[in-house]
Amino acid sequence: GNSVTQMEGPVTLSEEAFLTINCTYTATGYPSLFWYVQYPGEGLQLLLKATKADDKGSNKGFEATYRKETTSFHLEKGSVQVSDSAVYFCALNSPEGNTGKLIFGQGTTLQVKP
Amino acid sequence: DAGVIQSPRHEVTEMGQEVTLRCKPISGHDYLFWYRQTMMRGLELLIYFNNNVPIDDSGMPEDRFSAKMPNASFSTLKIQPSEPRDSAVYFCASSLASRNYGYTFGSGTRLTVV
Repeated sequence: GNSVTQMEGPVTLSEEAFLTINCTYTATGYPSLFWYVQYPGEGLQLLLKATKADDKGSNKGFEATYRKETTSFHLEKGSVQVSDSAVYFCALNSPEGNTGKLIFGQGTTLQVKP
Repeated sequence: DAGVIQSPRHEVTEMGQEVTLRCKPISGHDYLFWYRQTMMRGLELLIYFNNNVPIDDSGMPEDRFSAKMPNASFSTLKIQPSEPRDSAVYFCASSLASRNYGYTFGSGTRLTVV
C-alpha cells in the first residue's frame, strides 16, 4: 500500500544552520507530494507541494524536490531561524482514483536554538 | 475565506459526559476529514466524508464515537460517553476532489476529559 516514512526526530539545530528532513514514500504511479508544518498550539498548514516528478516546491525559504528515481521528497532550508521550530509532516496523495485523501508521515520535530 | 472553522477551541468535560465538536469546512470543498492527535499515537484519521457521505470510518476507535455531516457546510464529531483516554486535539480538514490540492486544516479542538 501507499506509505510515507520520515526521519526520526527531534532534530536540533543552531540558528542559521542548514536543515534537511528526509522523506521517502511508497506508492504506485505518480503521487502528489506535500510538506505541512505545525507550529505549537496550531493546526497543520500547507508549506509546499510538488505534483509531478522533478518539480520543486518552495515557500518561506524551504524547498523540496520530487525525486521519482529515489522516491524521495526531502525538505531543505539553507538557514533556519528560531521561528522555524515546529513539527513537519510529509504527505502524499495517491494517484489511484481522484480523491482528496492524504497519507501522512509520522512527523519530525525541529528545534532551533538561538 | 475564513478557512476551516472549528468550535470550541478548548473543551474540558467530566468522564461520562457527552462531547460534541463542530466543524465548518471551506465553501466548495467536497471532502471533510476528522483527525485526532496525541503525543503517543500521533495524527490519526478517524473518518472522512465526500459530498456529505461517510466514506471510511475505520479509524473511529469505538462505538462511543460518531460523526455526521448533515450538509456541505457543517459536520459534528460526538463522543458519548467520554473517557479520559479521549483527551487529545481533534482536527477537522477539508479538501477538493483533486490529488493536487492538499488539505486545509482547522485550528483544532483541545479536549480534556477529567
